[in-house]
Amino acid sequence: QVQLVQSGAEVKKPGASVTVSCEASGYTFIGKNIHWVRQAPGQGLEWMGWISPNSGGTNSAQKFQGRITMTRDTSINTAYMELSRLRSDDTAVYFCARGEGSSWFDPWGQGTLVIVSS
Amino acid sequence: QSALTQPASVSGSPGQSITISCTGASSDVGAYNYVSWYQQHPGKAPKVMIYEVSNRPSGVSNRFSGSKSGNTASLTISGLQAEDEADFYCSSYTNSNTYVFGTGTKVTVL
Repeated sequence: QVQLVQSGAEVKKPGASVTVSCEASGYTFIGKNIHWVRQAPGQGLEWMGWISPNSGGTNSAQKFQGRITMTRDTSINTAYMELSRLRSDDTAVYFCARGEGSSWFDPWGQGTLVIVSS
Repeated sequence: QSALTQPASVSGSPGQSITISCTGASSDVGAYNYVSWYQQHPGKAPKVMIYEVSNRPSGVSNRFSGSKSGNTASLTISGLQAEDEADFYCSSYTNSNTYVFGTGTKVTVL
């Protein structure tokens, strides 16, 4: 079955960077974009950006531009999201999700909790 | 890009129908038929319920339906059941080749 499995929880200090991985299985990895979405505690979903595993092309929400780097390794069907210059308000669960066309996200990874605290 | 506007909460009794609105702009909801809806139970990843305004993925109950008029999309849940109690989010593609989610709606089954 189609599945996205993310890396484990992280605790980081303010100013540091974090990298979350997302390993895909059950489909052709380069065929569909991978999106990154985050959810702060008790808050709503926030779209962060996408990467095309085929071309490596990316696009991100203006809010994250300059701080987010999305990459992929097609040899191991894995996408990565690095967020730099972390602040306490970056504390959130980070999800990856497969994009379907220009339209919807399915399935989603299980989520990765990132805590930013001094 | 501002979040799409949803009501914070909607409630209904078992068997009733409820509708959740999702208001955007002419640069997102109004521009494309790329609106999707997600159900999220506490501590879980979101699950797609409707895509491209009104299409249901395989396995999603036909009690869920979607529509759009202008800059506002809507999700209707008919025959409300206890298991429908969850948070719901809309999402839309935008003219910047980005995406935006709604503010989220908590559905309560009375």
